[in-house]
Amino acid sequence: QSVLTQPPSASGTPGQRVTISCSGSSSNIGSNYVYWYQQLPGTAPKLLIYRNNQRPSGVPDRFSGSKSGTSASLAISGLRSEDEADYYCAAWDDSLSGHWVFGGGTKLTVL
Amino acid sequence: EVQLVESGGGLVQPGGSLRLSCAASGFTFSSYEMNWVRQAPGKGLEWVSYISSSGSTIYYADSVKGRFTISRDNAKNSLYLQMNSLRAEDTAVYYCARDSQYYGFDYWGQGTLVTVSS
Repeated sequence: QSVLTQPPSASGTPGQRVTISCSGSSSNIGSNYVYWYQQLPGTAPKLLIYRNNQRPSGVPDRFSGSKSGTSASLAISGLRSEDEADYYCAAWDDSLSGHWVFGGGTKLTVL
Repeated sequence: EVQLVESGGGLVQPGGSLRLSCAASGFTFSSYEMNWVRQAPGKGLEWVSYISSSGSTIYYADSVKGRFTISRDNAKNSLYLQMNSLRAEDTAVYYCARDSQYYGFDYWGQGTLVTVSS
């Protein structure tokens, strides 16, 4: 069971907007930044969003992140077939001696 | 170009040991924190261990504490993970990931598969 909670699946049709939620607690999302990673089939994860809502260079502005309290969301607008992938949220957790925590991942299907 | 290349994975019996390496290039390795993250077959990502740029600060996931040891050699631009007392549940692809305090895990290696089975 992952510390951060994500829906196991999401779907949308091309052009639609989809959102993926990530729920945590005061020791992780509530007090630290949220990061999002995209993992295309058979490849290593790739940084998609950093510090809650910032996009690395090269990431289309169709991807956006937000955070409120102990929850965060990833939104993908203008859905494209190449967006079909697994998406993971992550945050530093201040409990115990400190550690990174990930969400269980959300498999996005483009119908 | 930033590159992280893992090696050392393979098949090992339960209770055995394995040492993973991650060769870094294209950036000043000694300036960055590093992590190991693993992914069991068909499962999600699980953070394993963190090491600061100097190696002075180290963290482990509870699932590997006391069995795994992370280390680095900044002169050789290399990150390591010594894995002892391996269990079937340690079977996974192991990724090394550069940890930029600002960007998070901004670069990942391609991963190396560790299979623990008799």
